[in-house]
Amino acid sequence: TQLLEQSPQFLSIQEGENLTVYCNSSSVFSSLQWYRQEPGEGPVLLVTVVTGGEVKKLKRLTFQFGDARKDSSLHITAAQPGDTGLYLCAGDLVYGNKLVFGAGTILRVKS
Amino acid sequence: DSGVTQTPKHLITATGQRVTLRCSPRSGDLSVYWYQQSLDQGLQFLIQYYNGEERAKGNILERFSAQQFPDLHSELNLSSLELGDSALYFCASSGGLNGGPLDTQYFGPGTRLTVL
Repeated sequence: TQLLEQSPQFLSIQEGENLTVYCNSSSVFSSLQWYRQEPGEGPVLLVTVVTGGEVKKLKRLTFQFGDARKDSSLHITAAQPGDTGLYLCAGDLVYGNKLVFGAGTILRVKS
Repeated sequence: DSGVTQTPKHLITATGQRVTLRCSPRSGDLSVYWYQQSLDQGLQFLIQYYNGEERAKGNILERFSAQQFPDLHSELNLSSLELGDSALYFCASSGGLNGGPLDTQYFGPGTRLTVL
C-alpha cells in the first residue's frame, strides 16, 4: 500500500483539454512536492507547497495543498503535447530527509 | 541538464554479482541521495549522505551500501544481486543538510540496472 495514493494512474487527453491529478494520504506532510519525469531522465521538481491551503501557479499548472496537509492536486489548463510525462507527487513526513513518492500519473497529450 | 552525473548509464549483470554505481553531485552540493525506481515499487528513497556522513536511511537492503567520498562524489554498492534488483537507480543532490522544502533535490539521469 502506497503512503501517497495518486490518481489517475494514466491519463490520455487531447491537446487543449484540462486535467487534474490527485495525491492523497491519511498522513500529514510537512511539505509536498510535484515532479515531472520524462523517459530516460530523472524527475524534475515543479513546485513545493508547504502551508495548508496553499495554492501555487506555474504558467498553466496550478498546485494546491489541502488544508490538513494530507492531500494535493495538480491542475493543468489547456494541456499541450509538451506536458506529456510522468507526474509524481512526493511528501516529506518529517522536515528534512525522507521523501515518500506516489506511484505517479502517466500523462499523454495528443495533438 | 541537472548538473548531476551518474555512471554507468546502463549495466547488465548476472544474479549473485556485485556492482558499483557512481554519482557526482552538482558543484557545491553537499547532500547526495540515492533512490530506486521500479515498476512495482515506484520511486523509493534509499539513503542520504551529507558531507561524507550518512544522514538518513530509507528502504535500503542490507545487501546494498553507499558512501560519499571527500570530493563529495558517492557510490552505491549492490551485492548478491537478485532479479528483483533490476531497476533504475537515481542519485540526487542538494545544497543543504535537511533536504526540506527550501532545499531542492536535483536528480541525475539514472543508471538502469538489469540483473539476468
